[in-house]
Amino acid sequence: GQQLNQSPQSMFIQEGEDVSMNCTSSSIFNTWLWYKQEPGEGPVLLIALYKAGELTSNGRLTAQFGITRKDSFLNISASIPSDVGIYFCAGQPYTGTASKLTFGTGTRLQVTL
Amino acid sequence: DTGVSQDPRHKITKRGQNVTFRCDPISEHNRLYWYRQTLGQGPEFLTYFQNEAQLEKSRLLSDRFSAERPKGSFSTLEIQRTEQGDSAMYLCASSWPGPQYEQYFGPGTRLTVT
Repeated sequence: GQQLNQSPQSMFIQEGEDVSMNCTSSSIFNTWLWYKQEPGEGPVLLIALYKAGELTSNGRLTAQFGITRKDSFLNISASIPSDVGIYFCAGQPYTGTASKLTFGTGTRLQVTL
Repeated sequence: DTGVSQDPRHKITKRGQNVTFRCDPISEHNRLYWYRQTLGQGPEFLTYFQNEAQLEKSRLLSDRFSAERPKGSFSTLEIQRTEQGDSAMYLCASSWPGPQYEQYFGPGTRLTVT
């Protein structure tokens, strides 16, 4: 099935550094969501975005809904070891009846002390 | 609110056997979704219920797969005649209706077909 393109695929950073990742699609979405997943667990919702251009924060996390509706960005400031995991973007297609989420390929984040 | 729960967390079965997974959504959520996630990939949509009605099914959901939500509360996903390619994490999510579109996931059921 279709998956959104996320970059980078993986990141190795030091504790305290800022992190940026993005997600792109060939089609329009009217909702963007960012999730974090740890090994053996389900995805945990971090941030939800509902309007093009919207900028939303959740603690050290900030996400933006791209103006074109075809991309989204996630920033993590001052990373800490518990930020380790795989970050997924997900979008709801811009159709009247669609309810499924289309997920990205994931960005694996490793934080070293 | 105890979140979405799934049972079992792990299942090992032999090829050709049938398996059934259960999902209990967050109470008052009327929408329930099933996704499948293989190693190194993001979750992929399988099917979706609003109350007891199954409204959408993915092409990934072959004839060997069936999902039910008989009373609009918990749901079951059954796989008949399992194949090795069915090995994956099966995730359940639930959400409120309406325009605020936030799906909350359970911990998943890890299926291994030997």
